[in-house]
Amino acid sequence: GAGVSQSPSNKVTEKGKDVELRCDPISGHTALYWYRQRLGQGLEFLIYFQGNSAPDKSGLPSDRFSAERTGESVSTLTIQRTQQEDSAVYLCASSLAVTGGPGNTIYFGEGSWLTVV
Amino acid sequence: DAKTTQPPSMDCAEGRAANLPCNHSTISGNEYVYWYRQIHSQGPQYIIHGLKNNETNEMASLIITEDRKSSTLILPHATLRDTAVYYCIVRVAGANNLFFGTGTRLTVIP
Repeated sequence: GAGVSQSPSNKVTEKGKDVELRCDPISGHTALYWYRQRLGQGLEFLIYFQGNSAPDKSGLPSDRFSAERTGESVSTLTIQRTQQEDSAVYLCASSLAVTGGPGNTIYFGEGSWLTVV
Repeated sequence: DAKTTQPPSMDCAEGRAANLPCNHSTISGNEYVYWYRQIHSQGPQYIIHGLKNNETNEMASLIITEDRKSSTLILPHATLRDTAVYYCIVRVAGANNLFFGTGTRLTVIP
């Protein structure tokens, strides 16, 4: 598609279960980002990929969170043993490259809404 | 840490120009100013960005002061669908992400 695609759009899961969230970036975009946004709050940066590598994982909230990217394309954010505080919308974004110069605008998907009950 | 300061909220009458200010007094010479907006329950939407010169596209205009310490996003004819939170962001050169502050909640009033 033309934009960043995320799935599922909505997910309700029981506390303690694992979830996987998928992101398909814009074709040709080498940089991919994950953000989290809790209800009524701002965007919280989690992790970025340059190609298939994630140089900095310090934004991930805990060791229950992990992310990977393959083929310089699809990325998966995995949350293990979900907790209620994990409830949020998880936003994926992509850009041509990482640096902040022209042409490297970051484009967002519509997010995956996660509710942990 | 946010490098920008924006008013928390603004109102604008439908059909009038909405002027959203942003202060970025510590901006460096190679840092761009980006504007995004987030309509309720949607992902952030890119609006416009600039470095030194004023910029215009089909959505908005961006006016950057000569000293680059502040900027204004202008929506020339606000509609009800422009009601959203507007984020002014300084993109640090080489940075690996956009840092979103608290933004300005714009409400367009009929």
